[in-house]
Amino acid sequence: AQSVTQPDIHITVSEGASLELRCNYSYGATPYLFWYVQSPGQGLQLLLKYFSGDTLVQGIKGFEAEFKRSQSSFNLRKPSVHWSDAAEYFCAVGGNFGNEKLTFGTGTRLTIIP
Amino acid sequence: EAGVAQSPRYKIIEKRQSVAFWCNPISGHATLYWYQQILGQGPKLLIQFQNNGVVDDSQLPKDRFSAERLKGVDSTLKIQPAKLEDSAVYLCASTNKAGRWNTGELFFGEGSRLTVL
Repeated sequence: AQSVTQPDIHITVSEGASLELRCNYSYGATPYLFWYVQSPGQGLQLLLKYFSGDTLVQGIKGFEAEFKRSQSSFNLRKPSVHWSDAAEYFCAVGGNFGNEKLTFGTGTRLTIIP
Repeated sequence: EAGVAQSPRYKIIEKRQSVAFWCNPISGHATLYWYQQILGQGPKLLIQFQNNGVVDDSQLPKDRFSAERLKGVDSTLKIQPAKLEDSAVYLCASTNKAGRWNTGELFFGEGSRLTVL
């Protein structure tokens, strides 16, 4: 069965500092990987996705993520965070057989301090 | 383009009562999902529809939960009778892709928050 682990429940960073959110997945074949962001009281919004090809993927809002098959990881990064980045971030895994249902991690809450 | 619409946004009921949530996906989106998000956890899939057919309801507690998408557009999720552990946010999501082209890029509504007392 597929699964996702986000080891950090809560991360606090200063505005302007760099950010890395960790994600490890378990999947028996080549996975589809996603990062979604959820602002308070809002639904989830897709930040970026990895299907195949270049292992460094770019997303919206200046985020990027790197797929590392050897480490079963898909960490999310941003070089300089903004106060508006404060939110809950979810990593998700799906298969590549179509009709995908996603398995989400438990999320990492990001707090930005001035 | 209008997003995924859900109602009500908030609902408080007592245990053993019933509740229904409504979702209207983005126009033209064939695939619709209901997810349950318990506080402190990630969303968990309850049911997936493709048009008006059920693709996956393996994690739906069918003794108390039901869902339908009769005309392949909007959908209703019902809980009867509710239990304390059903307190959660119920998220509806949709995608315009179906079958083998559905790769999991979903559009989510703002959710319906249920509190069971």
